[in-house]
This record gives sequence, structure tokens and C-alpha cells, in this order.
Amino acid sequence: LAKTTQPISMDSYEGQEVNITCSHNNIATNDYITWYQQFPSQGPRFIIQGYKTKVTNEVASLFIPADRKSSTLSLPRVSLSDTAVYYCLVGDRVSSGSARQLTFGSGTQLTVLP
Amino acid sequence: GAGVSQSPSNKVTEKGKDVELRCDPISGHTALYWYRQRLGQGLEFLIYFQGNSAPDKSGLPSDRFSAERTGESVSTLTIQRTQQEDSAVYLCASSIQGQPQHFGDGTRLSIL
Repeated sequence: LAKTTQPISMDSYEGQEVNITCSHNNIATNDYITWYQQFPSQGPRFIIQGYKTKVTNEVASLFIPADRKSSTLSLPRVSLSDTAVYYCLVGDRVSSGSARQLTFGSGTQLTVLP
Repeated sequence: GAGVSQSPSNKVTEKGKDVELRCDPISGHTALYWYRQRLGQGLEFLIYFQGNSAPDKSGLPSDRFSAERTGESVSTLTIQRTQQEDSAVYLCASSIQGQPQHFGDGTRLSIL
């Protein structure tokens, strides 16, 4: 069972790039890494998913080194509205149909300051 | 389009009572997940349904917790003889098999 570790909190200023790292030393071969964003009183919202190397979409990039024991979510030019909790999830995409327990990290509270 | 819907949004009940929480997944999503989130904490996996396969119940904390799903539609999470430590937000998510999860906004359960 892959356990994940993230910083509890981070502060940044508007317009800066923010990098949040998640450690997952026991990641399994079939595990993907997914990041979610959560605002108060809402459910988490999908940001990005990857398996290895680098993935980029319209809101973020995800960097995964060759050993896959960590991953880094990169948010370019953050704004005040990016203040939220960010979760790293490691788990099987269950594409095989088998069920696996999914492990969310404890989350990183990102606070963007003006 | 419609997202994952959970009801009620808030539930207050007395210790010892049974509660039933409902989740309506996105149409066509074969996978459904339940999580528990205590105040200020991360998400704790409870149970996973995938199509007609046997559910993965490995995250259920005790035999007071159970969940059912009818086909690929509605799911209910039942907590019997509620305890104060059951107070939390219960989140439901659904997905197409192998794809990222879509979450509802949860049911905030308070046990008095």
C-alpha cells in the first residue's frame, strides 16, 4: 500500500510558480499519480494525472522522476483563487477491473498572498 | 452536465441512531467510491464499487459501516449505531473505469 507524504502548508505570492512535492516510496508498478484540488466545503477536483516523466495540461504540470518515488505538481503564475488544499493520490487506475485501496496524501494547504 | 450528487448535504443526528447517506453518480460511470474526511484531515478510503464486481470493502472502519450500490446507479452508505467519532464529511466519487474521479460535495455528518 503506497503511503504518500506532502508538506502540510505552503505560502506563495500572486504571479509566482508553485511546486508541491509528494513522496511515495512504495509506489507499485501499476500505480498512477493523480493530483486533486479542494476548496472548503467542496469535494476534490481533478487537476492532473501521470505515470512517468512529465505531463502538462492547461492548468498545471506534473513531474515524475525515473524512480517514481516522488512527484511534483507545478502551478504556473498562481492567483488568489488557487488558495486551496492540494492532494496527491497514488493508486491503481483499476483498468484491470481489480479493486485496490486508494491512498490520498494528507494534503498541502497552499495560501496565495497578494 | 450533472455532476455527482450527494444527499443530504448536512445531517445531524443523535449518538446511537442509524444514518443513510446517498450518492448519485454521473451517468455512465461504472466506478463509485466512498471516502471519509474528518475536520482538517485528508481523505480516508472506505469502499469501492466497480460494475458488477464484488466491492472492495477494505477501508470500512467497522461492521457498523456498510454500503450498497444498485447496478451502476445510486449508492447508499449506512452507518449503524452512530458514534461521535463518525462525525465527518462523507464524500462520494464516480469515474469511468481507469479514469480520474469526479467528486460530489459531500454529506457533513454531525453526531451529537
